[in-house]
Amino acid sequence: KQEVTQIPAALSVPEGENLVLNCSFTDSAIYNLQWFRQDPGKGLTSLLLIQSSQREQTSGRLNASLDKSSGRSTLYIAASQPGDSATYLCAVSPSGGAGSYQLTFGKGTKLSVIP
Amino acid sequence: NAGVTQTPKFRILKIGQSMTLQCTQDMNHNYMYWYRQDPGMGLKLIYYSVGAGITDKGEVPNGYNVSRSTTEDFPLRLELAAPSQTSVYFCASSYSPRTNPDTQYFGPGTRLTVL
Repeated sequence: KQEVTQIPAALSVPEGENLVLNCSFTDSAIYNLQWFRQDPGKGLTSLLLIQSSQREQTSGRLNASLDKSSGRSTLYIAASQPGDSATYLCAVSPSGGAGSYQLTFGKGTKLSVIP
Repeated sequence: NAGVTQTPKFRILKIGQSMTLQCTQDMNHNYMYWYRQDPGMGLKLIYYSVGAGITDKGEVPNGYNVSRSTTEDFPLRLELAAPSQTSVYFCASSYSPRTNPDTQYFGPGTRLTVL
């Protein structure tokens, strides 16, 4: 059974710092990996999606990397801003067969960016 | 586009009561999903649908039922509410996860408390 772990569970940084959020998964047979953002009381917003054949994806100040063989992904946020404060969730999609649509989520990292 | 809408936003049920959580999407997505998120946990898939008339179980389907009579609507039914069903419920949709990346679009959630 796939398990997704996110470290740290919570992170507090001063505004302007660069930071890295970590995600690890136990089964490397994945179709893709996604990073989501969740604001309090809100739904999830997809930030970046990396296909299993890709190594990284970039969107603005965000960069996500994927090392499928070691079961790891990182989300790099450059020049953090108070508006980046949210919970960041990592999710993987299994490759092939029935249940391919089942995303397995980590518990998330709660990020606080202090002005 | 309104995206994915969910009603109600909040609900308190007594043990044994029944209710239906409504979900509608206006993006003409063929895939729809129901997740639950318990405090401090990642999301777990309850049921999903790959098109009108087709539904399948996810990781935690016990105590729930779904139907998909139209492309737009995917209601989730709780028949006999139990305290263990206290959670935040999210509906999501996506377009053909195998021909396009599996970007899922989430609704704002329904916060359900069973007392």
